This record gives sequence, C-alpha cells and structure tokens, in this order.
Amino acid sequence: NAGVTQTPKFQVLKTGQSMTLQCAQDMNHEYMSWYRQDPGMGLRLIHYSVGAGITDQGEVPNGYNVSRSTTEDFPLRLLSAAPSQTSVYFCASTRLAPSSHEQYFGPGTRLTVT
Amino acid sequence: SQQGEEDPQALSIQEGENATMNCSYKTSINNLQWYRQNSGRGLVHLILIRSNEREKHSGRLRVTLDTSKKSSSLLITASRAADTASYFCATDDSSYKLIFGSGTRLLVRP
Repeated sequence: NAGVTQTPKFQVLKTGQSMTLQCAQDMNHEYMSWYRQDPGMGLRLIHYSVGAGITDQGEVPNGYNVSRSTTEDFPLRLLSAAPSQTSVYFCASTRLAPSSHEQYFGPGTRLTVT
Repeated sequence: SQQGEEDPQALSIQEGENATMNCSYKTSINNLQWYRQNSGRGLVHLILIRSNEREKHSGRLRVTLDTSKKSSSLLITASRAADTASYFCATDDSSYKLIFGSGTRLLVRP
C-alpha cells in the first residue's frame, strides 16, 4: 500500500492564482481530512469528509473548497491564493472517526504565496 | 480554538534519559491521542487513551490521563537520538474533528 499520497510536494503561487492540492489514499478509508500547519504551531482542520459525496467544514475553511467524488481522492482547491495561505498542508485519512481511530498522514505540500 | 496545549514547548535531553511532556485541555473529551512529527514529515500516530483509562503503555511510551485535571502526560523512557521530533496531543472536539496542540519539540543529544 502507498498509504496517503500528496502532490505536489512544493508549490509557489502568486496572489490571486488558483490551484488544487491532490490527496489520495489506497486504504479504503471513509474519513479524509485536510489540515494546515503554520510555523511553530499545531495542525488546524480545514475541511473533512466522512465518505464519498459528503464534506464538511473544519476550523479554518475560508478560502478553500473540497469535493469527494470517490473514496480514494480528496482534492483541496485554493480559489484565489493569498499570502496568509502560505503554510504546509497535510492530508490524512482514517477508517472511521478520527476521535477513536488513528489517522494516517501524507507527507505534506509546502505552499508559498507571494 | 486550541484545545490541547503542550508543555514544555521545547525539551533537550541526553540520550538514555527519560523525556516527559504534558498536555492540558479545556473541555471534556472522549479520547486523547499523541502523535509524533519528524522534521519536514507528516504526523505519525503513537497512542490513543480513552477517557475511562488512566494509563497506557506502548513499548517505551507511557501515557497517563487525569480527566479531573484535564491533563495528560507522555513519557518516553531511555530516549534515543531517533526520538528527536515534535510531539503533539490531539483531543476530540467531536467524533469527526480533532484539535491539535502546538507541540513539544524534543531534542535528544547523542
């Protein structure tokens, strides 16, 4: 199993540009989530999904969109990038609820917005 | 809002010593988890302790939970250079939302 994969690893955007961060898992996990991690801080939940076709907002959803058309994929879209979105983005998945099951994290995407 | 907060923010110890880091949280929880993050990598799950448990062991890890004080501690015994990483506690805001603390950066000197 590849586990949770994320592409790209690094990305530089100009303010106002849009892009999609890709996340895929091959463990047949129902729950997937996106976090952002700013320097010296913990992770903050952006959006999550409990299954194909179902998404919901986390702690910091503004400026981001998600969709879940398949169990395997959970892309994160930045509609109009802003410097405040400079961060490292992690995708994670788990079999059921993350409160009672360990989450598996991808390697992260380091995004810089200039 | 940050639920779990780790203490200390940074810890430097000699190889072979024990490392203790603490986590405090504000509201009642069902479970508390600890994760490790090596520099530049994703998080790796270490251990989950349920609210009705007081202590749990996994290899060189020992986790305690005191729900009356809303706090947890992670003890790493006989530390190794490979234990150098950041350690985060995570509490459940709901079944589908975990809240992570800001982490403890552990440096184990050879």
